[in-house]
Amino acid sequence: DVKVTQSSRYLVKRTGEKVFLECVQDMDHENMFWYRQDPGLGLRLIYFSYDVKMKEKGDIPEGYSVSREKKERFSLILESASTNQTSMYLCASSPRTGKASQETQYFGPGTRLLVL
Amino acid sequence: GQNIDQPTEMTATEGAIVQINCTYQTSGFNGLFWYQQHAGEAPTFLSYNVLDGLEEKGRFSSFLSRSKGYSYLLLKELQMKDSASYLCAVSSSASKIIFGSGTRLSIRP
Repeated sequence: DVKVTQSSRYLVKRTGEKVFLECVQDMDHENMFWYRQDPGLGLRLIYFSYDVKMKEKGDIPEGYSVSREKKERFSLILESASTNQTSMYLCASSPRTGKASQETQYFGPGTRLLVL
Repeated sequence: GQNIDQPTEMTATEGAIVQINCTYQTSGFNGLFWYQQHAGEAPTFLSYNVLDGLEEKGRFSSFLSRSKGYSYLLLKELQMKDSASYLCAVSSSASKIIFGSGTRLSIRP
């Protein structure tokens, strides 16, 4: 079974703090993704990565950065947390096969971040 | 622009059938996914359609019409555990998926 883990289930931070969210997958997947999920807005893509040291902006990258130093690990960084970044953050991974049918995304359990 | 629409909430009765609709407008199309997400948990994969028609998988079926930009998820013999959000998602380009806002389905006894 594919396993995607995230470093924390719940996190409380203060405005202005630097926040690191870690994601690790154990299936040797090339693709990794960070989403945030807010009521009524669904899942919105923040950043994704096709390979080690590669990253691409998603739909809402402002205020975030990412790091992919190893294939299995994809980190999301909030350089200076703000209250509007309070959200559920979901990490996902998928294999890169060239066939969309085989590129199902597998999600981690999520990190619920509260910024005070 | 890119848009995926699905109803926000639906209610159905245990043992009945429910159909959750999804319409989409995307710049590319490599297939359509349905995911299930229970409250407080991660989304899990349910189905994938890339050709027109109906794909059946046990109590769940998913239909696609590419010309209409339309899909539905059909749930039969509803059980209380089917209470969850159902996310429609389109693969619009290589490895990238766009998600709808989800439909929260409540099952009543």
